[in-house]
Amino acid sequence: TQLLEQSPQFLSIQEGENLTVYCNSSSVFSSLQWYRQEPGEGPVLLVTVVTGGEVKKLKRLTFQFGDARKDSSLHITAAQPGDTGLYLCAGAQSLNRDDKIIFGKGTRLHILP
Amino acid sequence: EPEVTQTPSHQVTQMGQEVILRCVPISNHLYFYWYRQILGQKVEFLVSFYNNEISEKSEIFDDQFSVERPDGSNFTLKIRSTKLEDSAMYFCASSATETLWEKLFFGSGTQLSVL
Repeated sequence: TQLLEQSPQFLSIQEGENLTVYCNSSSVFSSLQWYRQEPGEGPVLLVTVVTGGEVKKLKRLTFQFGDARKDSSLHITAAQPGDTGLYLCAGAQSLNRDDKIIFGKGTRLHILP
Repeated sequence: EPEVTQTPSHQVTQMGQEVILRCVPISNHLYFYWYRQILGQKVEFLVSFYNNEISEKSEIFDDQFSVERPDGSNFTLKIRSTKLEDSAMYFCASSATETLWEKLFFGSGTQLSVL
């Protein structure tokens, strides 16, 4: 069974600070995705990384896929209160269209104004 | 932006009762999924559905669970005899014909409470 471990579990920082959260596994994933989930809502896809070493930027968010495709990180620059939420990483076991995505437990981020 | 719609948003039922959770996936999508999230736990895969049949299911998806696409728009999850441990937020998701990981759209979920 492939597991995704996310760390830290909780993070509370001041507005304007930088932060990095991590998603790690002992298994290789064909792709990793990062989602953000608001209370009472479903996960919303932020980015998908496919190639080992790949870096993608989404405004102040930088996502990186490890060279070995076993881990990923999300870095937020100059965090804002609007970044508050649950950040989930999820991995696809293969590239098959009907394959399932496995989720980590998430990092709950709280940005203090 | 197109969205996946789920109804009801909340469902309360007695243990042993049958419940049907409803989902309207995005109209041009062909792959459909159910996930659930127990409070404080991770999002767990239940089942994937394509071409009117189950593609894959997890060990959670036992004989008490079934899915159906009764018409061209709805996708339902039925739990025949609910148990206390079925209490969770159930998410429907859909994706287009391209590879799964390109874009998976989730609904807002149905919060199921089994008493």
